[in-house]
Amino acid sequence: AQTVTQSQPEMSVQEAETVTLSCTYDTSESDYYLFWYKQPPSRQMILVIRQEAYKQQNATENRFSVNFQKAAKSFSLKISDSQLGDAAMYFCACGGATNKLIFGTGTLLAVQP
Amino acid sequence: EAGVAQSPRYKIIEKRQSVAFWCNPISGHATLYWYQQILGQGPKLLIQFQNNGVVDDSQLPKDRFSAERLKGVDSTLKIQPAKLEDSAVYLCASSLGVGVNYGYTFGSGTRLTVV
Repeated sequence: AQTVTQSQPEMSVQEAETVTLSCTYDTSESDYYLFWYKQPPSRQMILVIRQEAYKQQNATENRFSVNFQKAAKSFSLKISDSQLGDAAMYFCACGGATNKLIFGTGTLLAVQP
Repeated sequence: EAGVAQSPRYKIIEKRQSVAFWCNPISGHATLYWYQQILGQGPKLLIQFQNNGVVDDSQLPKDRFSAERLKGVDSTLKIQPAKLEDSAVYLCASSLGVGVNYGYTFGSGTRLTVV
């Protein structure tokens, strides 16, 4: 069984500042993947970043990076130089290599100009 | 490439009525997923198809929900009869194969309101 927990229902950040969204997970899979998805008001889930659990190096995509702590089962997302377009709902998700994707409850990020 | 297409975008029905949602996945994607996203919650998997066969429907309320994927391409999700608690966004996603390592592509969803 897999569970994903996001303990921050809402976060706010000033434009150009840095914000970190938290996520913890639990899984019995030995081969699994972790994801952060962005869901704007258009409702489409957009992949922000993904991390293979077997990789020790933290994934980075431009202004987005993760802090993956495997032993602590923690997977936080850092957004640097926040932009107004980053405002959205962010979901953390976990899935085994041959299994389904399980989502957290989401964090609503507001970006203040 | 074209994305995952879903219709309708919005639907309002009265309780006990029936409703159907349609999804056309990305061409060549063998795996198709239907997720239910209730307001304030993360998406929850309802059913997963591999081509036209069901891989996982353990979370599908089979007394009122049904889904099919004829010819292994597009898919229809039906609710009959609808209840108030079925109000949610229904998201369709597709991927090349079974497993999260292939990556999912999501559609924009159908927002269902049951009154």
